[in-house]
Amino acid sequence: AQSVTQPDIHITVSEGASLELRCNYSYGATPYLFWYVQSPGQGLQLLLKYFSGDTLVQGIKGFEAEFKRSQSSFNLRKPSVHWSDAAEYFCAVGAISWGKLQFGAGTQVVVTP
Amino acid sequence: SQTIHQWPATLVQPVGSPLSLECTVEGTSNPNLYWYRQAAGRGLQLLFYSIGIDQISSEVPQNLSASRPQDRQFILSSKKLLLSDSGFYLCAWMGTTATGELFFGEGSRLTVL
Repeated sequence: AQSVTQPDIHITVSEGASLELRCNYSYGATPYLFWYVQSPGQGLQLLLKYFSGDTLVQGIKGFEAEFKRSQSSFNLRKPSVHWSDAAEYFCAVGAISWGKLQFGAGTQVVVTP
Repeated sequence: SQTIHQWPATLVQPVGSPLSLECTVEGTSNPNLYWYRQAAGRGLQLLFYSIGIDQISSEVPQNLSASRPQDRQFILSSKKLLLSDSGFYLCAWMGTTATGELFFGEGSRLTVL
């Protein structure tokens, strides 16, 4: 069965500092991996996705993620966070043919001045 | 361009009352449609998905049902709400090009009292 673990429920980071959000997955085949962001009371927006090829993928808003098969991880990074990056971030894994994504529990990011 | 609408945005209902949440997609045809529920600290749980009219699959046995009366309309219903049905409900669609990206609506906040 597929599953996604986001070990950090809550992260506080200073504006301008770097950010890394962890994601570990369990999937029986080659995974399709996603990171979504959710602002308070809103729907989810796709930040980036990995299907195949280069294991370092670039997304919107200056985010990137690295797929490491040996570690079953897909960590999200941003070199310098902005106050507008405060949101909840979800990692997801699944088969794109059906869109049946398995989401992690999410990581809440708080950005301090 | 494609858009997705959900309503109502907020709903407060007594236990035992019925429920109807509506979702409509515009600007695309024959989309895959999904209902997710988000509970605090538990990520997103896939409730139903539909690959076409009258083709609906349930992922989790529960007090809810889904219908797709038109190609771009997806409805989540309940005959008698339970306290445990409270949560944030998100509708999403994926286009036939199967890019893997889910596009989410703004969500419907349901509180059952």
